[in-house]
Amino acid sequence: GENVEQHPSTLSVQEGDSAVIKCTYSDSASNYFPWYKQELGKGPQLIIDIRSNVGEKKDQRIAVTLNKTAKHFSLHITETQPEDSAVYFCAAKLRSGTASKLTFGTGTRLQVTL
Amino acid sequence: DGGITQSPKYLFRKEGQNVTLSCEQNLNHDAMYWYRQDPGQGLRLIYYSQIVNDFQKGDIAEGYSVSREKKESFPLTVTSAQKNPTAFYLCASSPLPYNEQFFGPGTRLTVL
Repeated sequence: GENVEQHPSTLSVQEGDSAVIKCTYSDSASNYFPWYKQELGKGPQLIIDIRSNVGEKKDQRIAVTLNKTAKHFSLHITETQPEDSAVYFCAAKLRSGTASKLTFGTGTRLQVTL
Repeated sequence: DGGITQSPKYLFRKEGQNVTLSCEQNLNHDAMYWYRQDPGQGLRLIYYSQIVNDFQKGDIAEGYSVSREKKESFPLTVTSAQKNPTAFYLCASSPLPYNEQFFGPGTRLTVL
């Protein structure tokens, strides 16, 4: 089955700096890669996603890049703000178009300091 | 106001008791999912359902049961056979073509 590894487990940046979180996946058949933001005591919120036929996607201050050859994808947050502090999860999905599972990474706790 | 609701937010049960967690969505999504989250770990899939009256086991289905009698509802029962039931339980739903999954607020279950 699919395995997703996520690094780092914790990340502290100063307000205004950039943050990068990296994930690798094991199954080359995975073709959908979402990123979620989870605040304490709440459910994960989908913030951005990318499909395997796209190399990069950007939405305001966040962007995701995908390297299919190396089987890794990354989340980039620019101009970080205190409200970006949360736990971020990457995930990978096999068989786009069917109700199959997402395989999640173990999460990155991002802290944005003033 | 559309969304996914889970109730209750906090649930306490004695060891050996079955307990049912509620999940309702008014988004008209076809697929629904149950995940379990433990501290320091990612989410793990318990069960999922693509259509009414049909569901499939996920990676950690042992000790859990589900039903899907209505499109809007996907309740999860944590049975006494689940050896370590204390966790944060998350319900999600997904529209066609089943890529994006949207999560509810979660239920924190504590078994005493």
